[in-house]
Amino acid sequence: GQQLNQSPQSMFIQEGEDVSMNCTSSSIFNTWLWYKQDPGEGPVLLIALYKAGELTSNGRLTAQFGITRKDSFLNISASIPSDVGIYFCAGTPSYNTDKLIFGTGTRLQVFP
Amino acid sequence: EAGVVQSPRYKIIEKKQPVAFWCNPISGHNTLYWYLQNLGQGPELLIRYENEEAVDDSQLPKDRFSAERLKGVDSTLKIQPAELGDSAVYLCASSLRGAPTDTQYFGPGTRLTVL
Repeated sequence: GQQLNQSPQSMFIQEGEDVSMNCTSSSIFNTWLWYKQDPGEGPVLLIALYKAGELTSNGRLTAQFGITRKDSFLNISASIPSDVGIYFCAGTPSYNTDKLIFGTGTRLQVFP
Repeated sequence: EAGVVQSPRYKIIEKKQPVAFWCNPISGHNTLYWYLQNLGQGPELLIRYENEEAVDDSQLPKDRFSAERLKGVDSTLKIQPAELGDSAVYLCASSLRGAPTDTQYFGPGTRLTVL
């Protein structure tokens, strides 16, 4: 099935550093969501975006809905060890708003 | 409030055997989803239920996969017979109504290994 392209595939950073990751599509999307998945658990919703250009924060996390509606970005400031996990973007494409399509994931590792 | 419950958490079977996964969604959630998550990838939708009705099963391999949600609450996903390529995590999620703006809450998943 279709999956959104996420980059980078993995990141290894030091505690306290800022992190940026993005998600792109060849199609226009109506919503963008960012999830975090810990080992052995299901994904947990972090941030939801519903409008082009929208910028939303959740604590140290900030996400943006790209102006072209074909991309989204997630930033994590001042990373801490518990930020470790896999971050997935997801979205509902304009051609099928009932479907949620996930990205390929960005694996984040934080070293103390 | 209890989250989405799935069982078993782990299952190891030999190829050609049948296997079934069970999901209990969050109380009051009308919409239930089954996703397949292969190693290193994001979840992919297999089937979506609105109450008892399967409203999107276009990605469900119907030759070997089946699902049911008889009373609009619990759901079961079955594979018969299992193949080596079915090894993956099977996630169940639920949401209040199924609208794009409704948050999907995921269970911990069932990790299936087919030998």
